Amino acid sequence: DADVTQTPRNRITKTGKRIMLECSQTKGHDRMYWYRQDPGLGLRLIYYSFDVKDINKGEISDGYSVSRQAQAKFSLSLESAIPNQTALYFCATSDLRGYEQYFGPGTRLTVT
Amino acid sequence: ILNVEQSPQSLHVQEGDSTNFTCSFPSSNFYALHWYRWETAKSPEALFVMTLNGDEKKKGRISATLNTKEGYSYLYIKGSQPEDSATYLCAGHGQNFVFGPGTRLSVLP
Repeated sequence: DADVTQTPRNRITKTGKRIMLECSQTKGHDRMYWYRQDPGLGLRLIYYSFDVKDINKGEISDGYSVSRQAQAKFSLSLESAIPNQTALYFCATSDLRGYEQYFGPGTRLTVT
Repeated sequence: ILNVEQSPQSLHVQEGDSTNFTCSFPSSNFYALHWYRWETAKSPEALFVMTLNGDEKKKGRISATLNTKEGYSYLYIKGSQPEDSATYLCAGHGQNFVFGPGTRLSVLP
């Protein structure tokens, strides 16, 4: 079984809809991250969490919110989706040292 | 935002060729430099983590060097194979990870 899982893997939604992307991990890591990837750009950090009570904005947090329900779960929400949020979204985890990140399989989101 | 740059953006080589590409970063802001390999339709996978100036890492035919004073890292692939085709990402590691845009490598048989 995969250590970091994401649901859904693909999603098409309409402008204005609320959508939640979920991430679960079995690695026992405290740190979790949400990134988006757009063609020609690197992975850009949306939000990160160093433990259940610690949530921080990343480079591009506008239009997104997150919830760390437990050590193993970190959800990303788009309150009112817009077309320029169409992208590939990755969840990742790392241990306390943060020396290595482990990525989920990605969620491809299309906002029409 | 601290930029991490990679060059070239894409690269096509013949099977058996050796190749290398570059990651440049603002060295004063990071304490480690990471390389990831990202195959199409898969997740990025960690290749190397380098923390010391002059650090060198090697895994099979792939190796990497780090120069923190000048703010660059090189990734080398010796005797490229078609299965090496992927996007290679570097990331500076400070408070968080800052990723470069990647170098897309295509190895032609």
